[in-house]
Amino acid sequence: NAGVMQNPRHLVRRRGQEARLRCSPMKGHSHVYWYRQLPEEGLKFMVYLQKENIIDESGMPKERFSAEFPKEGPSILRIQQVVRGDSAAYFCASSPLGTANSGNTIYFGEGSWLTVV
Amino acid sequence: ILNVEQSPQSLHVQEGDSTNFTCSFPSSNFYALHWYRWETAKSPEALFVMTLNGDEKKKGRISATLNTKEGYSYLYIKGSQPEDSATYLCALNTDKLIFGTGTRLQVFP
Repeated sequence: NAGVMQNPRHLVRRRGQEARLRCSPMKGHSHVYWYRQLPEEGLKFMVYLQKENIIDESGMPKERFSAEFPKEGPSILRIQQVVRGDSAAYFCASSPLGTANSGNTIYFGEGSWLTVV
Repeated sequence: ILNVEQSPQSLHVQEGDSTNFTCSFPSSNFYALHWYRWETAKSPEALFVMTLNGDEKKKGRISATLNTKEGYSYLYIKGSQPEDSATYLCALNTDKLIFGTGTRLQVFP
């Protein structure tokens, strides 16, 4: 059973371009989470999705950022018109059950490093 | 905003030493407390998910305890080895994971 797969692992974008980060959850997992690690900071929650639905996007910037988890295919985190401050590591995680299931293990991918030049 | 604190920030120990670090949090209103082990350029690896006051979990030389009444969890490593060198993260599950900033452990041979 492959783990949580993220691609690309590294992405360089010029200011104003779009960045698309993909996440394939573990097999059988229908809950996906995106976290961001800014330089010198810890992991911060961005968004929680369950197939075709956004459950909680309270950690996502209101502008330029969007996320989706379609019925088929990977979850996508999309950042439009990137700025230097978007440079960070973006981690995806998945779980078979929602976070309200207390014993639920949440598995992380290896992250996508976005550099905006 | 809920704050999850971890201490110490970093730790250097000699191979064979036992060590422990702390995760503290203000709330008892959460679903679970998670511990992760995170090596550079790899994915955070799930160690434990703890839900009940008094919970104790063990995996090889690593164990953890949870005290929800006083708001802390301890992670213990017995007989540290160089391969234990990593950042250890705790996270509170309050319907999203709220992470501490981690304890960076370095074990010298």
